[in-house]
Amino acid sequence: GNSVTQMEGPVTLSEEAFLTINCTYTATGYPSLFWYVQYPGEGLQLLLKATKADDKGSNKGFEATYRKETTSFHLEKGSVQVSDSAVYFCALSLNTNAGKSTFGDGTTLTVKP
Amino acid sequence: DAGVIQSPRHEVTEMGQEVTLRCKPISGHDYLFWYRQTMMRGLELLIYFNNNVPIDDSGMPEDRFSAKMPNASFSTLKIQPSEPRDSAVYFCASTKNKPTQYFGPGTRLTVL
Repeated sequence: GNSVTQMEGPVTLSEEAFLTINCTYTATGYPSLFWYVQYPGEGLQLLLKATKADDKGSNKGFEATYRKETTSFHLEKGSVQVSDSAVYFCALSLNTNAGKSTFGDGTTLTVKP
Repeated sequence: DAGVIQSPRHEVTEMGQEVTLRCKPISGHDYLFWYRQTMMRGLELLIYFNNNVPIDDSGMPEDRFSAKMPNASFSTLKIQPSEPRDSAVYFCASTKNKPTQYFGPGTRLTVL
């Protein structure tokens, strides 16, 4: 079956620190990969995505590269801000089942001033 | 454009009562998903619909839970009777035959 494994949290960083949240996946087909972010009291929202190997998704200073050889999609940001404090979810979706996605367990990030 | 709309945003009820959660997907979207989020279990897919038809309800925890989608613009998730362990945040999400899902703000359910 399909699965997503995320780095366990919580993660606590100081402002301007470098962020990496690891994500690896298992899929029976050739998936699209996503990072969603959930701010306190809100629903999940798409942060970035990549649809094929070696694609790099980027948004708001966050980046993730689709690595087929290591089945990974690690999230990175060079300098985090307090406003980045949120829960981050890695997810995959197979093109053969375009609606349904498989989500990781989420990683809570807290950024301190 | 309006996003996914959920109501109520907060619900507090007593054990044994019936609870109905409501969702209005984004206009034109043909997939609708119901999720439950708890600290212990994370984000769980309960059921999803395509063109108003339930496709996979294997995540529905038990017969106390039921979901309907009578038309393209409305869905309900009902719990009858409710139990304290049903306390969670319930999300509705929709998409138009694309992998990216659009989530509503959620309904925080507390069963006393």
